[in-house]
Amino acid sequence: QQQVKQSPQSLIVQKGGISIINCAYENTAFDYFPWYQQFPGKGPALLIAIRPDVSEKKEGRFTISFNKSAKQFSLHIMDSQPGDSATYFCAASSFGDDMRFGAGTRLTVKP
Amino acid sequence: EPEVTQTPSHQVTQMGQEVILRCVPISNHLYFYWYRQILGQKVEFLVSFYNNEISEKSEIFDDQFSVERPDGSNFTLKIRSTKLEDSAMYFCASSTGSRYGYTFGSGTRLTVV
Repeated sequence: QQQVKQSPQSLIVQKGGISIINCAYENTAFDYFPWYQQFPGKGPALLIAIRPDVSEKKEGRFTISFNKSAKQFSLHIMDSQPGDSATYFCAASSFGDDMRFGAGTRLTVKP
Repeated sequence: EPEVTQTPSHQVTQMGQEVILRCVPISNHLYFYWYRQILGQKVEFLVSFYNNEISEKSEIFDDQFSVERPDGSNFTLKIRSTKLEDSAMYFCASSTGSRYGYTFGSGTRLTVV
C-alpha cells in the first residue's frame, strides 16, 4: 500500500531556478511531514519538516507548503544550486506509527 | 556531530548464506530502525525496535529477517538464507522519539550473487 505518493520521479532545473517536488498522502492520521535529502552513497538526511497546524515552513532556500484539505505537501527549493543535486524523499508519520517514505525525486541542477 | 555508524559498507554474499549487518546508533537514542533501498528506488521500512523488542515491522520483514541488540551499543539485522532479491542498500536509523528526527547511517550495500 503506497501511503505517500511523490512526483516527479526526476527533475532537471537550471541554476538559480525553483525546484518543486510534490507529495500526496492518504492517511489522515499523519501528523508529521519531513523531507529528506540523499546524496549518492549516503543515507537520507533530514532537511526540513512540518506539522499540519501550519501551512508553510521556510528554512533558508527550502520551503514546505502544506495543504491539509487536499492532503498534499510540497518542497520548494529557491535559487537552486548544483550542490542541491540529490534525491529528495518526502515522508509522513503518525503517532504510534513509523515513517513512510515517498518514492523519491532525483533532482539535477544544471550550472 | 553524532552519527549512526554502519558496517560493513559493502558486503557480497552467496545466495543461501546468512549475513549480519551491524549498526551503532547514536548513544542517547532509544528507537532504532532498519530500512531498505533497492538501487534507485524508494526507501522501504523494514522494522522498528524499542525497549529491546520489535515495535513494528513491515510485510517485507518476514521470518528470513531478525534484529537484535546484543549489547548496549550495537543493533544488528540478520538475514538468513539470502536471496538475489535481497540485494539492496540497508540503512540503519535511530531517533530520540518514536518518529521524529531520524538520523540515518550511510548504509550497507548488500550484493547477493
